[in-house]
Amino acid sequence: EILLTQSPATLSLSPGERVTLSCRASQSIDSYLAWYQHKPGQAPRLLIYDTSNRATGIPARFSGSGSGTDFTLTISSLEPEDFAIYYCQQRNYWPYTFAQGTKLEI
Amino acid sequence: QVQLQESGPGLVKPSQTLSLTCTVSGDSITSNFFYWSWLRQPAGKALELIGHVYTSGSTNYNSSFKGRVTIFLDASRNQFSLRLSSVTAADTARYYCARDGSALYGMDVWGQGTTVIVSS
Repeated sequence: EILLTQSPATLSLSPGERVTLSCRASQSIDSYLAWYQHKPGQAPRLLIYDTSNRATGIPARFSGSGSGTDFTLTISSLEPEDFAIYYCQQRNYWPYTFAQGTKLEI
Repeated sequence: QVQLQESGPGLVKPSQTLSLTCTVSGDSITSNFFYWSWLRQPAGKALELIGHVYTSGSTNYNSSFKGRVTIFLDASRNQFSLRLSSVTAADTARYYCARDGSALYGMDVWGQGTTVIVSS
């Protein structure tokens, strides 16, 4: 099973700041990586698929990059609604696995 | 707009079978090429994919559930369901259903989740 590690576990930031979240895989997953945003009590939301493609309706301030084992999600300028938990998921090997998440807090 | 909603008992006794249903609105579970998935998240732990059922009815399960899991479609009700047998306290979690595309895509529609506690 592929292990995904996100860092850091928690980030304290302010609106308007730029943030980069990291996701590392225990072995190469090519570009089969997705990112999700999750707010308490809500359904998780797909942000990025195939490493760098924004899902429908996702603002341009969200971008993804990477390949192989190292991936990043960047939010260029944090909006108040962006404070949430972010998860990466690998989709190259079954079962698809998730990292523990990074919590963005104000 | 596609929406998913989980339903089922919030409390299950140890050794019994956990049964949850996901009702899909805004899409047909048999007419598009999607995987209909079940996931869970124990408190303080990562999301875990339990398995999925394809529009054809074929399934893939996470082997960590050691044959305890069944996922199936009910086309007449536009629902898909999860059954997890021989539950223990370790199965206490928030359970989510989701629509999933190809491997290069992602889980683009999720339910809000339902909490299941395993306790006598």
